[in-house]
Amino acid sequence: DVKVTQSSRYLVKRTGEKVFLECVQDMDHENMFWYRQDPGLGLRLIYFSYDVKMKEKGDIPEGYSVSREKKERFSLILESASTNQTSMYLCASSFPEGNQPQHFGDGTRLSIL
Amino acid sequence: AQSVTQLGSHVSVSEGALVLLRCNYSSSVPPYLFWYVQYPNQGLQLLLKYTTGATLVKGINGFEAEFKKSETSFHLTKPSAHMSDAAEYFCAVSDWYNQGGKLIFGQGTELSVKP
Repeated sequence: DVKVTQSSRYLVKRTGEKVFLECVQDMDHENMFWYRQDPGLGLRLIYFSYDVKMKEKGDIPEGYSVSREKKERFSLILESASTNQTSMYLCASSFPEGNQPQHFGDGTRLSIL
Repeated sequence: AQSVTQLGSHVSVSEGALVLLRCNYSSSVPPYLFWYVQYPNQGLQLLLKYTTGATLVKGINGFEAEFKKSETSFHLTKPSAHMSDAAEYFCAVSDWYNQGGKLIFGQGTELSVKP
């Protein structure tokens, strides 16, 4: 079975902190994704990566950056956390073909105080 | 550009009743379609997918969906709801023509099951 592991289930940080969310997958997937999920807004794509050191902006990249130094790991970085970044963050991975599903981690519920 | 519309943000059924969650898509190319389920405080889990071939697709937990090209629909059904089916359900279409592997998600439908 595909395993996508997010480093924390719950995280509390303070405004202005630099926050790192880590995601690791074990299926040699080329694609990796970061979403945030808010009530009433569904899933919104922040960034995705289709190869090591490659990244593409999603729908809401402002205030975020990403890093993919190794194929299995995709990190989301909040450069200076703000309260409006309090949310559920979901990582996913997939093979590049369009008929392949994305596999999701369990999510990180991040609170910025 | 592809898009997905899920009709009804909340659906409530009684235990044992039919579950019908509606999904319509827009796509200028042959679509690849997916249904995911999300239980509280968890990630999304794949229920089923349609890529090519048989238009009636069976998934996990007794769910199935039928691809109807003429209606641009991919509705999710289950003959008899169980309390454990209470969750949020997402329909998605692949943006394969533009960016392989990227999915376009609907807004989600929250399913409640009454005893």
